[in-house]
Amino acid sequence: AQSVTQLGSHVSVSEGALVLLRCNYSSSVPPYLFWYVQYPNQGLQLLLKYTTGATLVKGINGFEAEFKKSETSFHLTKPSAHMSDAAEYFCAVSEGDTGRRALTFGSGTRLQVQP
Amino acid sequence: EAQVTQNPRYLITVTGKKLTVTCSQNMNHEYMSWYRQDPGLGLRQIYYSMNVEVTDKGDVPEGYKVSRKEKRNFPLILESPSPNQTSLYFCASRAQGQASGYTFGSGTRLTVV
Repeated sequence: AQSVTQLGSHVSVSEGALVLLRCNYSSSVPPYLFWYVQYPNQGLQLLLKYTTGATLVKGINGFEAEFKKSETSFHLTKPSAHMSDAAEYFCAVSEGDTGRRALTFGSGTRLQVQP
Repeated sequence: EAQVTQNPRYLITVTGKKLTVTCSQNMNHEYMSWYRQDPGLGLRQIYYSMNVEVTDKGDVPEGYKVSRKEKRNFPLILESPSPNQTSLYFCASRAQGQASGYTFGSGTRLTVV
């Protein structure tokens, strides 16, 4: 079975400050890991993903995440927050390319950016 | 434009009145899935389909039905809706292979009174 834990349902940062959203996962097989962003009244948009290879993954809008197998973590970071980054962020895991199950999502972290 | 289209965007209905939420994708994706989103719970998978005529239950299938008669369409059917099915629903699709990631529709906000 696979699961995802996102620490902190709400995170508030100042504009220009570092953004750090935490995600820990459990998976019985090598995982694929994803971060999605959801803006108000919209669907989910893929920010970045880790499947194989380089453990530091760069995504859209200046976000990046690092897969750390020893810590079972996939934290999302951005060096400098922008007002437009205010949204809800979801970490998700899939158990490799088994084709049977889809993504398991965390409960989400709502990011507020203060001026 | 590559997209997943859900209809309707908003729906208010009464308990027990059958309804269908449609989902269509134009990317020739094999995999399609339905999720519901509830505050504090994230997204939970209802049903998924690996291809035409191949469907399987997700984590919260009770009270829902799906069908996959054509590759592009994956409707979600609530035969007898109840208030606990009030939620935000998302349809998603992806190409074969989990690494591609899902493309999500814009969501359907359902209220059952």
